[in-house]
Amino acid sequence: QSALTQPASVSGSPGQSITISCTGTSSDVGGYNYVSWYQQHPGKAPKLMIYDVINRPSGVSNRFSGSKSGNTASLTISGLQAEDEADYYCSSYTSSTTRVFGGGTKLTVL
Amino acid sequence: QVQLQESGPGLVKPSQTLSLTCTVSGGSISSGSYYWSWIRQPAGKGLEWTGLIYSSGSTNYNPSLKSRVTISVDTSKNQFSLKVNSVTAADTAVYYCARGLGHSYGYAFDYWGQGILVTVSS
Repeated sequence: QSALTQPASVSGSPGQSITISCTGTSSDVGGYNYVSWYQQHPGKAPKLMIYDVINRPSGVSNRFSGSKSGNTASLTISGLQAEDEADYYCSSYTSSTTRVFGGGTKLTVL
Repeated sequence: QVQLQESGPGLVKPSQTLSLTCTVSGGSISSGSYYWSWIRQPAGKGLEWTGLIYSSGSTNYNPSLKSRVTISVDTSKNQFSLKVNSVTAADTAVYYCARGLGHSYGYAFDYWGQGILVTVSS
């Protein structure tokens, strides 16, 4: 299975909004609403931010939102804050009942 | 509060077997519709899903690693384990164990261990 495709980096200024894309195939992202997003700060374990494409776990800021169109899922962070600077990974369930991650996107808050 | 903790050798020689254990506390590994996974991350690189196991013992593995990986569960100890055979330097990574949710939650990973660095070197 191939890793999902994410941009290597994105950046934005405080208060702005950014969107990170995650492109797969009809066998993973496009075939199921089972996309999740994770935030990882340096030296730390990943943290679940979005599940089922659009849902936020309890405690996650509503500045984080998810969406999907076809084979591409997206994570949008609005009202960018300094603490949002981190690596972000998408993940999807696949038709082989395996799981696959994206390559990761480094978010820089300018 | 569920907690996961990885344990095992931090250094493994090439061609040998990497063995790690994840101990789950704050909840039973047998309860609910959860599954349990290993995910690894080479230094400076992205996350790679390695495989999963249900408390029933049913497993599924990353096709790229399937021939070398075995995941097992010991419900009496509330632990699950990872073995990777015939390791090379490419297996050097931080290894995370994680809890997976059921289809109602998109099979997402909600709890993670802190990670353990395993280096393959002679």
